[in-house]
Amino acid sequence: GAVVSQHPSWVICKSGTSVKIECRSLDFQATTMFWYRQFPKQSLMLMATSNEGSKATYEQGVEKDKFLINHASLTLSTLTVTSAHPEDSSFYICSARFGGREWETQYFGPGTRLLVL
Amino acid sequence: GQNIDQPTEMTATEGAIVQINCTYQTSGFNGLFWYQQHAGEAPTFLSYNVLDGLEEKGRFSSFLSRSKGYSYLLLKELQMKDSASYLCAVKNSNYQLIWGAGTKLIIKP
Repeated sequence: GAVVSQHPSWVICKSGTSVKIECRSLDFQATTMFWYRQFPKQSLMLMATSNEGSKATYEQGVEKDKFLINHASLTLSTLTVTSAHPEDSSFYICSARFGGREWETQYFGPGTRLLVL
Repeated sequence: GQNIDQPTEMTATEGAIVQINCTYQTSGFNGLFWYQQHAGEAPTFLSYNVLDGLEEKGRFSSFLSRSKGYSYLLLKELQMKDSASYLCAVKNSNYQLIWGAGTKLIIKP
């Protein structure tokens, strides 16, 4: 199956710093990538949808200036949490979608656990 | 509004069969997905239904009735490793994926 990687898998940072999370599709070209966050015991919350070469579409309530998304190539999207605060501590998961028979299926990365002190 | 309803938690016994239901109300329909998510891990794809009927994949089967806005995930011969959350998600007419809150399945020996 399709493989999506995320880096780093764990990050601990001080309040006020910025954190960049990378999402890569390893064996396919992802036309669209999605960024989710998930708090403990809650379901996935879609933050934004990004298409390669265009600006990301953010969901209502998600601050685009705080969560910067760059989708510079068909295999890489990055999420930067700017000036992170403790309330940004969460599990961030990316997913990627590609064409072909299973074009509607999203494949998820392993997630990045962010802890802001 | 759009919503996906599924039970919060279910308990079943190892070796048994369990059915996890999902009902949905969305603006249009372009397919329904089931994902499995173990605690602390990202979701993994289980099944995709876009036409009415039953799709079988080994121990797991997924059923869809578009007229009723209803799906279920059937897990047979339950194993302890099946303890996880099961997420139902529906793609609407805008191809947005609407997620349910997930059903936590607890398997007892």
